Amino acid sequence: AQSVTQLDSHVSVSEGTPVLLRCNYSSSYSPSLFWYVQHPNKGLQLLLKYTSAATLVKGINGFEAEFKKSETSFHLTKPSAHMSDAAEYFCVLFEGGYQKVTFGTGTKLQVIP
Amino acid sequence: NAGVTQTPKFRVLKTGQSMTLLCAQDMNHEYMYWYRQDPGMGLRLIHYSVGEGTTAKGEVPDGYNVSRLKKQNFLLGLESAAPSQTSVYFCASTVPGQAQEQYFGPGTRLTVT
Repeated sequence: AQSVTQLDSHVSVSEGTPVLLRCNYSSSYSPSLFWYVQHPNKGLQLLLKYTSAATLVKGINGFEAEFKKSETSFHLTKPSAHMSDAAEYFCVLFEGGYQKVTFGTGTKLQVIP
Repeated sequence: NAGVTQTPKFRVLKTGQSMTLLCAQDMNHEYMYWYRQDPGMGLRLIHYSVGEGTTAKGEVPDGYNVSRLKKQNFLLGLESAAPSQTSVYFCASTVPGQAQEQYFGPGTRLTVT
């Protein structure tokens, strides 16, 4: 069975410092993995996606993620946090077509001025 | 393009009342989904549709019904609302194929008292 685990429910960083949001997955097949961001009272927006091409994926707003098959991880990083990055982030696993969609439980990122 | 729209944005129901949530997309997407979002649980798939006239159950379908009479619209119905259905509901749409981005609506916040 497929699953997604976001290891931290809350992460707090100071503005200008690096961001690391952790995601581990379990999948029987070659997965497609996504990171979505949700700002307060908004819908979800795609940050980036991995689809078996390059293992280092760059997304919008300076975020990137690295797919590591040996560690079954897809951690999201950003070199320098900005106040506008404060939001909730979801790691999402797609497997076997449209019906196998699994969302992580989310990580709330707080950015301290 | 309006993208994915949802109506209403907010609603308060009493236990036992019924209502229908409307999702509309203008991107000619084949696939549409209904999710619910609850604190600490991420998004869970309620029902989905792979085309006009077809629907299928997701992870948490009990207490909900759906219809896809037109390609652009996906309706979610609650026949007899329960407090456990208090949640934020998101609609999404995408095109067929693996690893396609889902486009999300802004959400409907439903409270059942």
